[in-house]
Amino acid sequence: GAVVSQHPSWVICKSGTSVKIECRSLDFQATTMFWYRQFPKQSLMLMATSNEGSKATYEQGVEKDKFLINHASLTLSTLTVTSAHPEDSSFYICSARDRAANTGELFFGEGSRLTVL
Amino acid sequence: DAKTTQPTSMDCAEGRAANLPCNHSTISGNEYVYWYRQIHSQGPQYIIHGLKNNETNEMASLIITEDRKSSTLILPHATLRDTAVYYCIVRVPYSSNTGKLIFGQGTTLQVKP
Repeated sequence: GAVVSQHPSWVICKSGTSVKIECRSLDFQATTMFWYRQFPKQSLMLMATSNEGSKATYEQGVEKDKFLINHASLTLSTLTVTSAHPEDSSFYICSARDRAANTGELFFGEGSRLTVL
Repeated sequence: DAKTTQPTSMDCAEGRAANLPCNHSTISGNEYVYWYRQIHSQGPQYIIHGLKNNETNEMASLIITEDRKSSTLILPHATLRDTAVYYCIVRVPYSSNTGKLIFGQGTTLQVKP
């Protein structure tokens, strides 16, 4: 099946620094990728939709200047958490849709756990 | 996208069938029913989806009622590794909003020895 890979799997950073998380579709091309955030014991919350070659679309309440998304190629989207603070500590998950498939299913990465000290 | 209602939690004995219900009474004609699951600290995993016919794959079966207002995911022989949160989502795969998945709270399935 289609594979989506995230890197890093986990990261610890100091408050005020920026952290970049990569999401790659390994065996398919994805014009659209989605970024989610998940706090402990909660469901996934959609943050933004990443579109290849254009600006991301952010969900209501998500700060676009804090969560920078770049989708420069058909296999890579990046999420940068800028000036991270402890409240940004969370599990970040990306997903992607195979543009060549007609099933509409989304494939998810393994997630990236961010801890801000 | 239509909203769904699932029980918060369920238990199942190992080796027995797990039947997970989902209500989606406001589903529209072009919306599909998707099931995903999330094992602790991992990304969600696609299980199965359907429009109106029952579907079966190597992981599970999906039974959709004739009026499409509810569905049941069936894991025929649950194992301990099936312990996870199961999400039922209805959506149009290629809607104008690019078919994004909106997750509810899901059902926490605990498979017990």
